[in-house]
Amino acid sequence: SQELEQSPQSLIVQEGKNLTINCTSSKTLYGLYWYKQKYGEGLIFLMMLQKGGEEKSHEKITAKLDEKKQQSSLHITASQPSHAGIYLCGAGRGGGADGLTFGKGTHLIIQP
Amino acid sequence: GAGVSQSPSNKVTEKGKDVELRCDPISGHTALYWYRQSLGQGLEFLIYFQGNSAPDKSGLPSDRFSAERTGGSVSTLTIQRTQQEDSAVYLCASSLWAQGEQYFGPGTRLTVT
Repeated sequence: SQELEQSPQSLIVQEGKNLTINCTSSKTLYGLYWYKQKYGEGLIFLMMLQKGGEEKSHEKITAKLDEKKQQSSLHITASQPSHAGIYLCGAGRGGGADGLTFGKGTHLIIQP
Repeated sequence: GAGVSQSPSNKVTEKGKDVELRCDPISGHTALYWYRQSLGQGLEFLIYFQGNSAPDKSGLPSDRFSAERTGGSVSTLTIQRTQQEDSAVYLCASSLWAQGEQYFGPGTRLTVT
């Protein structure tokens, strides 16, 4: 089955600084999803990447998919307190199965 | 428009009791998923419904867990004879089609005492 490893597990960043979160898959990635979760709440969809080399941006968040490395990165520019939360990457379970496998998440704290 | 809704938001039950968790997907979404989120295991897939097709139950942890989806819309996840290890947040998600982006509900926090 697909396994996703996220790094770092937690990150403390000063407000205004840039940061990157990585998600590495144990198997070929056919699609990669990024979600954000506020503590005690549901998941908020951020972006879906489907093709190797694909890059998407929304406001100050950019995600890239590197199929060869079986890896995706999420980059936040000029971080703000509103960026704090848990970032989760998800990918198809593989073998034609539906539903997603998720990484354990990266806890992001923004210090003022 | 309305997002995915789940009820109840919190449920405390005694070990051995049965519980039912409800999910209302986004209108028009054909695919519906149940996940479980716990501290030790992270976010795990439980079951998937696509339209009127037979569900993919491959993620259900035991035969105490079952789910149904009536009329291709509302879904109920039932846990029989609850155990303490069932304590977790149960999340429901829906998507327009099978490989589309999934939109999650706020979850039901289940505590088994």
